[in-house]
Amino acid sequence: DTEVTQTPKHLVMGMTNKKSLKCEQHMGHRAMYWYKQKAKKPPELMFVYSYEKLSINESVPSRFSPECPNSSLLNLHLHALQPEDSALYLCASSQERGARRLGGYTFGSGTRLTVV
Amino acid sequence: AQSVTQLGSHVSVSEGALVLLRCNYSSSVPPYLFWYVQYPNQGLQLLLKYTSAATLVKGINGFEAEFKKSETSFHLTKPSAHMSDAAEYFCAVSPGDHDKVIFGPGTSLSVIP
Repeated sequence: DTEVTQTPKHLVMGMTNKKSLKCEQHMGHRAMYWYKQKAKKPPELMFVYSYEKLSINESVPSRFSPECPNSSLLNLHLHALQPEDSALYLCASSQERGARRLGGYTFGSGTRLTVV
Repeated sequence: AQSVTQLGSHVSVSEGALVLLRCNYSSSVPPYLFWYVQYPNQGLQLLLKYTSAATLVKGINGFEAEFKKSETSFHLTKPSAHMSDAAEYFCAVSPGDHDKVIFGPGTSLSVIP
């Protein structure tokens, strides 16, 4: 299995809703990442997990709450989002901390989130 | 600080013509460099990577890139464009022993029949 699987592919949520994004990989990668990508822009790093522990939080608002229950699974819990949070949310993984050792990330196809 | 610039937010080529997408980087340490491609409504896919082993790097789908330290460049080329190459291309740098990969702003490639 050489894929990163993200669910759901599309999500529409109201500003008072609570929802979660899920990311799963079975490549034995020990680093996992959440990125946010707005239209026609490059991905922006949100969070990095290394060996199931949060190692980087890029000053993301608390309405985004990451969770890494095990080495294969990464969640992003969403609560009280704003319309400007609408974007493509990408999950990625790499063999271990430090993308240079692998030479890059494996990305999922993303969840397209619309906040109404 | 490390950064990546991509000259040309949009490039159009005719089918069968040479593809050249430009990338320049700044890094205080020897960088690792990557090119990613993103097709519509998809995630990013690694095309190729430079990890200091060889300056000319061959990737998937017939793409290659050459690392030129003197020019701080890592331009992406393909001899003959195919319609399926139409996508967004991101150059990225991973400076040092670091978790972060810094992406350039991207270049949208259109292929004209």
